[in-house]
Amino acid sequence: DGGITQSPKYLFRKEGQNVTLSCEQNLNHDAMYWYRQDPGQGLRLIYYSQIVNDFQKGDIAEGYSVSREKKESFPLTVTSAQKNPTAFYLCASSSDRSTEAFFGQGTRLTVV
Amino acid sequence: RKEVEQDPGPFNVPEGATVAFNCTYSNSASQSFFWYRQDCRKEPKLLMSVYSSGNEDGRFTAQLNRASQYISLLIRDSKLSDSATYLCVVFPGALTGGGNKLTFGTGTQLKVEL
Repeated sequence: DGGITQSPKYLFRKEGQNVTLSCEQNLNHDAMYWYRQDPGQGLRLIYYSQIVNDFQKGDIAEGYSVSREKKESFPLTVTSAQKNPTAFYLCASSSDRSTEAFFGQGTRLTVV
Repeated sequence: RKEVEQDPGPFNVPEGATVAFNCTYSNSASQSFFWYRQDCRKEPKLLMSVYSSGNEDGRFTAQLNRASQYISLLIRDSKLSDSATYLCVVFPGALTGGGNKLTFGTGTQLKVEL
């Protein structure tokens, strides 16, 4: 079955450590996105990529980094520079930037 | 002004009621519009695309008003299972200064009660 997979579902890390969240899709989608959601809040865009080897900052990119070496993969690294990393992280993909996006199940990151 | 704005709610309605949400967008040249549903602690899922002519799917009707720059979602005969957050999504368009990416509203929370 085609879909978008995020792993792990839950992640615990110590403060000051970098952590990488995985996002893989087999939908042959060109565009991929990373969002952050805090309790009771909407989605905020971290980074997005329209094509392999290219990506753009979203609204809250500070403290995060991404790569897009393969069409199907768009990993997100939460660095120690991110002041408040505990949140629900959602990855999405779409066939192009104007069409509907499909989401992975999300990763809940808790930094202790 | 935010690119996409929604009333956060919550909207508390009795089962069987009709409820409507509006979402306004700032870029008049926006090209694509969607409604998503998000259940608590889950990922958003596409509910409907929104077309200029309006579209209906069972108890759900979506409308686009380009002149007033808003989209709406109408839910008839609401069920307990409709309780969720409804997200408005707009694609502003690559050449219009709005950014070539999907833009999400913060969502409207609906609670359907017995």
